[in-house]
Amino acid sequence: DQQVKQNSPSLSVQEGRISILNCDYTNSMFDYFLWYKKYPAEGPTFLISISSIKDKNEDGRFTVFLNKSAKHLSLHIVPSQPGDSAVYFCAAALNNAGNMLTFGGGTRLMVKP
Amino acid sequence: EPEVTQTPSHQVTQMGQEVILRCVPISNHLYFYWYRQILGQKVEFLVSFYNNEISEKSEIFDDQFSVERPDGSNFTLKIRSTKLEDSAMYFCASSETGAPGGGYTFGSGTRLTVV
Repeated sequence: DQQVKQNSPSLSVQEGRISILNCDYTNSMFDYFLWYKKYPAEGPTFLISISSIKDKNEDGRFTVFLNKSAKHLSLHIVPSQPGDSAVYFCAAALNNAGNMLTFGGGTRLMVKP
Repeated sequence: EPEVTQTPSHQVTQMGQEVILRCVPISNHLYFYWYRQILGQKVEFLVSFYNNEISEKSEIFDDQFSVERPDGSNFTLKIRSTKLEDSAMYFCASSETGAPGGGYTFGSGTRLTVV
């Protein structure tokens, strides 16, 4: 199942700089896109979402951009902090009865002090 | 902050044995989910559950799997006859509204090892 892909397995960024995590999808019917953060030995933690009818959503240091024509979304974290070091998953969902999330493979972000 | 609680954190079982993974969702949440992550692979949807019935299930969720909400607080995943390939991290999640835009709250997971 390659409906949601994160092509970069890892990303290293200096503290204070911007982190940009990318995600591509193939199913144009997805209604929502979400970003989750995961630390080792913990479950995914919801960060931010965006509806397919919008192109940008911002929450504090986190901004998600959606480019529907390119079937691409990105998560911007600015400024990056060492505590942001984690695995980031993008996920997509149809707004139907089950609302299942389809996850990408994750990108490991390392923020260096 | 309210949490989704999963027990046990790690379970080792012999192939062919039945296992029950337990979850306590957030108390006012009405929608419940199970996901799993095989080591090195993506997080995969198993099943969603609302109003005491399955809303949606994936191809992974075959006749060997079942879910139950035996009382007002617990939500369980049963695997009847475990296989080696069932070894994975199993995550329970819950949601108040079921709307995906609001995100789901995941538990810390149960690591199932089938030997």
